[in-house]
Amino acid sequence: DAKTTQPNSMESNEEEPVHLPCNHSTISGTDYIHWYRQLPSQGPEYVIHGLTSNVNNRMASLAIAEDRKSSTLILHRATLRDAAVYYCIPRTNAGNMLTFGGGTRLMVKP
Amino acid sequence: EAQVTQNPRYLITVTGKKLTVTCSQNMNHEYMSWYRQDPGLGLRQIYYSMNVEVTDKGDVPEGYKVSRKEKRNFPLILESPSPNQTSLYFCASSPSWGAVETQYFGPGTRLLVL
Repeated sequence: DAKTTQPNSMESNEEEPVHLPCNHSTISGTDYIHWYRQLPSQGPEYVIHGLTSNVNNRMASLAIAEDRKSSTLILHRATLRDAAVYYCIPRTNAGNMLTFGGGTRLMVKP
Repeated sequence: EAQVTQNPRYLITVTGKKLTVTCSQNMNHEYMSWYRQDPGLGLRQIYYSMNVEVTDKGDVPEGYKVSRKEKRNFPLILESPSPNQTSLYFCASSPSWGAVETQYFGPGTRLLVL
């Protein structure tokens, strides 16, 4: 599995955009990049995923570097409810297991 | 509402007393799995099931059993719990086996083994 590097924690102000980076320099060409988040006292929750192109959904946007060695999760307007641990997870076609690293703890200030 | 449910949500037990944590999903998903979450170690997969009657070990299967007799249910069995199995457990499901599939997680079961 590709190894990922994420900041341990980040802070944001409410209503401002947040860019959460992830380095995955050993990712293979067929690995999808998934992002999950875990709110306090809850199970992980899917956020977004992509392969090569940038992706948008109602929760967030995912920007993938051209060389695919890094990606950035973008929350366009952070709310207090977005305070969570965010996990970047490369996934191979070979299996369905999610390998969770340490993630980034996002704190949102009112 | 599409969801994964787990029961119980909280459980305190003693060493050696067999217990079962149930997991059920109402989305007709083929793939189900169990994870445990421990401070500093993140989430680790215990067992998974690709379909009815098909199960396999994850990263940390020792001390656990599972069964998949029906598509919707995937119970986790601890035949003889020990204190090192004190943890937060999550069940997850996804439509099928594949790298693009979204996994849906249950709310978690917090287990304390004395």
